[in-house]
Amino acid sequence: DIRMTQSPSSLSASVGDRVTITCRASQSISNSLNWYQQKPGKAPKLLIFAASSLQSGVPLRFSGSGSGTDFTLTISSLQPEDFATYYCQQCRSAPWTFGQGTRVEIK
Amino acid sequence: EVQVVESGGGLVQPGGSLRLSCGASGFNLINYWMSWVRQAPGKGLEWVANIKQDGSEKYYVDSVKGRFTISRDNAKNTLYLQMNSLRAEDTAVYYCARIIFNNTWNNDYWGQGTLVTVSS
Repeated sequence: DIRMTQSPSSLSASVGDRVTITCRASQSISNSLNWYQQKPGKAPKLLIFAASSLQSGVPLRFSGSGSGTDFTLTISSLQPEDFATYYCQQCRSAPWTFGQGTRVEIK
Repeated sequence: EVQVVESGGGLVQPGGSLRLSCGASGFNLINYWMSWVRQAPGKGLEWVANIKQDGSEKYYVDSVKGRFTISRDNAKNTLYLQMNSLRAEDTAVYYCARIIFNNTWNNDYWGQGTLVTVSS
């Protein structure tokens, strides 16, 4: 199985900060990497697919990069509604696997 | 508007069975692969199973193989998850999610989830 490791597990940031979350795959997954946002009590929401493509309706302050084993989600200017948990997911091969999540909290 | 709505969760004793349903609206289920994903209380997301449009291919996470069965009724626009021999560690919110292929696979629409609690 492909293991996905996110870092950090949590972070504290202020509105307006630039935030970067990384995700590492245990083997190459090309660009088969998605990012989701989840707020408490809510379903996950797709933000980024294919490592760097922005899902329709997602604000431009979100961006993704990477290929192979190392990936990054960046929020260019953190907004109040962005405080949530973020997960990466590989869909290169079954079983599809998620990172453990990164909780973004208000400083 | 695309929507998926899960139902069928509840409290069940260890060793028991439960069948979850996921009703799809705003799109034709027959055109899409579908997923079940779960989330234990306070924990992260765990993919459970995928099923192809016609049900001819199914994939499961190892921890549920032989106990859970994913299926679908395209005429009813409904996805199912039959869960047998339930264990305490199966306690989770279960989400139904649509799969699309857009350069890569991803889950673009998710339901709000249904809670399954396995406890005596």
